[in-house]
Amino acid sequence: QVQLLESGPGPLKPSETLSLTCTVSGVSIDGGTNYWTWIRQRPGQGLEWIGYIFNAGSAHYNPTLKSRATMSGDTSKGRLSLTLTSVTAADTAVYFCARSKSEARGVMEAWGQGTLVTVSS
Amino acid sequence: IVMTQSPDSLAVSLGERATINCKSSQTVTQSSSRLTNLTWYQQRPGQPPKLLIYWASTRQSGVPDRFVGRGSGSDFTLTISSVQVEDVAVYFCQQYFTTPWTFGQGTRVDIK
Repeated sequence: QVQLLESGPGPLKPSETLSLTCTVSGVSIDGGTNYWTWIRQRPGQGLEWIGYIFNAGSAHYNPTLKSRATMSGDTSKGRLSLTLTSVTAADTAVYFCARSKSEARGVMEAWGQGTLVTVSS
Repeated sequence: IVMTQSPDSLAVSLGERATINCKSSQTVTQSSSRLTNLTWYQQRPGQPPKLLIYWASTRQSGVPDRFVGRGSGSDFTLTISSVQVEDVAVYFCQQYFTTPWTFGQGTRVDIK
């Protein structure tokens, strides 16, 4: 059974770079047709799709992030990474990583618990 | 694609029916296959979202059959036929017809 665990930094200041890790167990991140998605949830608000990475290689991003986001995967360590540059208070959110169903890349069937990222001056 | 849910919240008595509506700003049904790219998630307090329904009406393994998803095109519903205490949560619809995948704002379900 796949399990995902996000980890991230302590509080960030505006303009800094956010780096998050998602450790995956129970399945290889580049095995089969694996789409790994990052999603965030601002405090008390809804869900926002950040993007997905396919088999730890090709990535597709939400245009609203204006090229600030980069996703990658380290298959040897079973880890996914998300980097977000030039953060502002609007990037304060709980960040989730999730695995999509193999037959429907947009359907997130397994989620991590999420990690809270706070951006404040 | 903008996803709009209604109502924002509802309270129902235990055992009663709850219905949540979701509308997309354009169709999310594939013209070739007639598959509908619409999911429903449940998010309990302090928890990540949990997949309930995909392809608009297919229940994820392990999801109780009191959760029923319906609809096609741009209008959808999630019905909880007999609300239980453990169903208290926020429910989100999401389209995966085209990127960026987008979510509704959520509907909170409470017990009256």
